Amino acid sequence: QKEVEQDPGPLSVPEGAIVSLNCTYSNSAFQYFMWYRQYSRKGPELLMYTYSSGNKEDGRFTAQVDKSSKYISLFIRDSQPSDSATYLCAMGSGTYKYIFGTGTRLKVLA
Amino acid sequence: DARVTQTPRHKVTEMGQEVTMRCQPILGHNTVFWYRQTMMQGLELLAYFRNRAPLDDSGMPKDRFSAEMPDATLATLKIQPSEPRDSAVYFCASGFGTGTLSNTEAFFGQGTRLTVV
Repeated sequence: QKEVEQDPGPLSVPEGAIVSLNCTYSNSAFQYFMWYRQYSRKGPELLMYTYSSGNKEDGRFTAQVDKSSKYISLFIRDSQPSDSATYLCAMGSGTYKYIFGTGTRLKVLA
Repeated sequence: DARVTQTPRHKVTEMGQEVTMRCQPILGHNTVFWYRQTMMQGLELLAYFRNRAPLDDSGMPKDRFSAEMPDATLATLKIQPSEPRDSAVYFCASGFGTGTLSNTEAFFGQGTRLTVV
C-alpha cells in the first residue's frame, strides 16, 4: 500500500460545478499538506499549503485536512474549463521530503 | 518573472548514452530538488540540495545517476549509461528553507521529457 493514495480519475464535471478532490494517507507524522496543479506538459504549481488540521480558503479553492481520518480534500467552487488539469496532493512531516500522490485528472466541460 | 529553468525540454537518446539535464533555480533560493515523474509512480524525489550541498540522494540509482551543483545558479542531473526504464519526465524544483532539513515549498520547472530507446 502506498503512503499516499489518490484516485487517478479522470473526473469530468460541467462548468460551474463544485469539484471535490481527495487524498488519503497512512503516516500520522504528516503535518504539512499541499495541493499542486499540473497542466499538460508543464511542471506542477503550488495551489494551497496548509499546516495540521482545518480549512484554508483562497478564492474558489478550499483545502481541508482531517488528520483523525488521515484524509485531505481540495474543493473547487464554480469550476471553469481553465481548471482542467491534474491535481497532485503532497504531504510531509516537516522536513524536505514530501510524498506526492499520483494525481487526479480533472476535466471541466464548457 | 522568477521561474525555474530546465534544459533541454525534450531529449531522445539511445540506450547506453550519457544524458545531462540542467536546471537554473530561482535566484535567491537555497534549496534544489530533483524529481522524476512517471504515470505509474508519480513524482519521486531523486536528490535534495541545501546551499549547494547534497543532503539526500537516496532516491537515485547510485550506479548510473549523479547530481551536482557546481554553483548557486546551476544544478545538473546526469545519467550514464542511460536505460529505457529511465524514460520519464525529470523535474527540478527550488525553494528557500531555513535549517538543514526544514520543510520548503517547492517551485517546479517545466521538466525535461527523456526518452531512452
